Amino acid sequence: KNQVEQSPQSLIILEGKNCTLQCNYTVSPFSNLRWYKQDTGRGPVSLTIMTFSENTKSNGRYTATLDADTKQSSLHITASQLSDSASYICVVSFMDSNYQLIWGAGTKLIIKP
Amino acid sequence: DAGVIQSPRHEVTEMGQEVTLRCKPISGHNSLFWYRQTMMRGLELLIYFNNNVPIDDSGMPEDRFSAKMPNASFSTLKIQPSEPRDSAVYFCASSSGRGGAQPQHFGDGTRLSIL
Repeated sequence: KNQVEQSPQSLIILEGKNCTLQCNYTVSPFSNLRWYKQDTGRGPVSLTIMTFSENTKSNGRYTATLDADTKQSSLHITASQLSDSASYICVVSFMDSNYQLIWGAGTKLIIKP
Repeated sequence: DAGVIQSPRHEVTEMGQEVTLRCKPISGHNSLFWYRQTMMRGLELLIYFNNNVPIDDSGMPEDRFSAKMPNASFSTLKIQPSEPRDSAVYFCASSSGRGGAQPQHFGDGTRLSIL
């Protein structure tokens, strides 16, 4: 069964600290993996997209890694800010498709001052 | 540039009423998606349009749901008759290109409550 599992479900860290969110998937055949940020009351916003040949991609303080062999990805946030408080969703593309996406349940991140 | 625009932002209506949600995709994008998000089930794809043509509507829960895209700049999602279990946040998203690694750009959603 095609699945995307994220951990932890929720995470609280102090402002300025780093954190890493995890994503494991069983989607096959795999095309690409995406990380989205969703602020409360807003739509998801794309952070990164990685194909199977890419093992790291950065977007400012966000760095995503991908290990296609172990089917694992992580999202590392450096020097967290209060505005990083949001849900982070891992999404895996099934086949070479722009719409057949398997969405994870997300990790809810809270940054405390 | 304007992002994906959805209206209304909030809708509260009584069971049995018709509900129409509206979406204006980003200009130049040829793919449009309707999603539903709930706490229990997360984000679920309802229907996917490419070049205004419905490509995959397998996620539409039942015949009470219908979606149209009369032109490249407008789409609607209609629920008739509405039921309390339809209460959710409905998102519209658009992207450019048909395949490959294209990000989807989401609107801010319509929060629908059916009483």
